[in-house]
Amino acid sequence: GQQVMQIPQYQHVQEGEDFTTYCNSSTTLSNIQWYKQRPGGHPVFLIQLVKSGEVKKQKRLTFQFGEAKKNSSLHITATQTTDVGTYFCAGPGAGGTSYGKLTFGQGTILTVHP
Amino acid sequence: NAGVTQTPKFQVLKTGQSMTLQCAQDMNHEYMSWYRQDPGMGLRLIHYSVGAGITDQGEVPNGYNVSRSTTEDFPLRLLSAAPSQTSVYFCASSWSRDRVGSPLHFGNGTRLTVT
Repeated sequence: GQQVMQIPQYQHVQEGEDFTTYCNSSTTLSNIQWYKQRPGGHPVFLIQLVKSGEVKKQKRLTFQFGEAKKNSSLHITATQTTDVGTYFCAGPGAGGTSYGKLTFGQGTILTVHP
Repeated sequence: NAGVTQTPKFQVLKTGQSMTLQCAQDMNHEYMSWYRQDPGMGLRLIHYSVGAGITDQGEVPNGYNVSRSTTEDFPLRLLSAAPSQTSVYFCASSWSRDRVGSPLHFGNGTRLTVT
């Protein structure tokens, strides 16, 4: 079945440093979504990428979708303590009636030291 | 709108007990799903539904049952609780009318401990 691998599992940074998490799929993805989960909270949707090579920005966050649509990355510039949490990528399930169901990566836990 | 509402927030069960985790959404979403979250393993899909009367298994369905009698509700039943089912459970919903997909809206989660 489809697997979505995410690295690193943990990342500790000093406030102001940059952060990047990477997501790789064993199959081509029609789209990829990114979610953020604050400690003790629930995942919250950040963005969806659909096109090959797509790049989207949300303030200090930059999301990229690979040319082959099998990998993606999330880059945060100049981290702040409010960026603390777990970042997940998620891809759609394969074929059949599985539209809408998502396979999540393991997540990257980001800690920001002030 | 309340969004996705899960109850209870916390639950402790003894091995062998059964219980139902409730999930309701008021956004008229077709698609609903249950995930469990365990450290280092991300979110794993248990069961999902693409509409009232239709359910299907996800990645880790064993030990769980679901039903979808209405668009709004999607309860998750633990038939005979086991310590391996200790986890945080999230219900989620989305429009998802096509393969491109739409964002999942998550409930606040249920933290379940089985002793």
